[in-house]
Amino acid sequence: RKEVEQDPGPFNVPEGATVAFNCTYSNSASQSFFWYRQDCRKEPKLLMSVYSSGNEDGRFTAQLNRASQYISLLIRDSKLSDSATYLCVVNGITSGGYQKVTFGTGTKLQVIP
Amino acid sequence: GAGVSQSPRYKVAKRGQDVALRCDPISGHVSLFWYQQALGQGPEFLTYFQNEAQLDKSGLPSDRFFAERPEGSVSTLKIQRTQQEDSAVYLCASSFSQATSGRVAEQYFGPGTRLTVT
Repeated sequence: RKEVEQDPGPFNVPEGATVAFNCTYSNSASQSFFWYRQDCRKEPKLLMSVYSSGNEDGRFTAQLNRASQYISLLIRDSKLSDSATYLCVVNGITSGGYQKVTFGTGTKLQVIP
Repeated sequence: GAGVSQSPRYKVAKRGQDVALRCDPISGHVSLFWYQQALGQGPEFLTYFQNEAQLDKSGLPSDRFFAERPEGSVSTLKIQRTQQEDSAVYLCASSFSQATSGRVAEQYFGPGTRLTVT
């Protein structure tokens, strides 16, 4: 089983729709969680951190479920400019005391006019 | 700008050649990561530095891959005797958090070096 798993999609949704992505992780000791956005042929850019209490940034809402070991990203009122690949990132500290960063393979979103 | 920079942006190498990829992290960022990203995949971890110390190189695919960060700032990823399967985008990222901090901070990525081995 992969350490971080995402549905690769693509998710094709009409403008204005609400879409949700999930990401599961296998290491229960994972400490920090992020969603990154990657446009075609560009580098990943931080979209938002994911906190235990959940967090919202405009049309974007991120949730963490530690018991079930997954994080989610909800996008409301989809815009054409939301079309991108959304990468789930799980960070932890290894037993050796240093960072371990694991990316999911990404979920591709295509918003259709 | 004060972002992460990488050079070259594009590199074409003939199979068997050695290549060196450079990363300039954000000033003051302690942590530096190298990733390999194949088409349609997420970034795969290669190696991690905290200052000049290479704390994790478990992701390097073979002994042909070598990374260094001798002064704790600029880093170089070297690939010896390149093979076609090395063709990918190599991403560098930096972060201000230290290895043993309680919360791992977000990373800032450079634009990547697209390596094509022919």
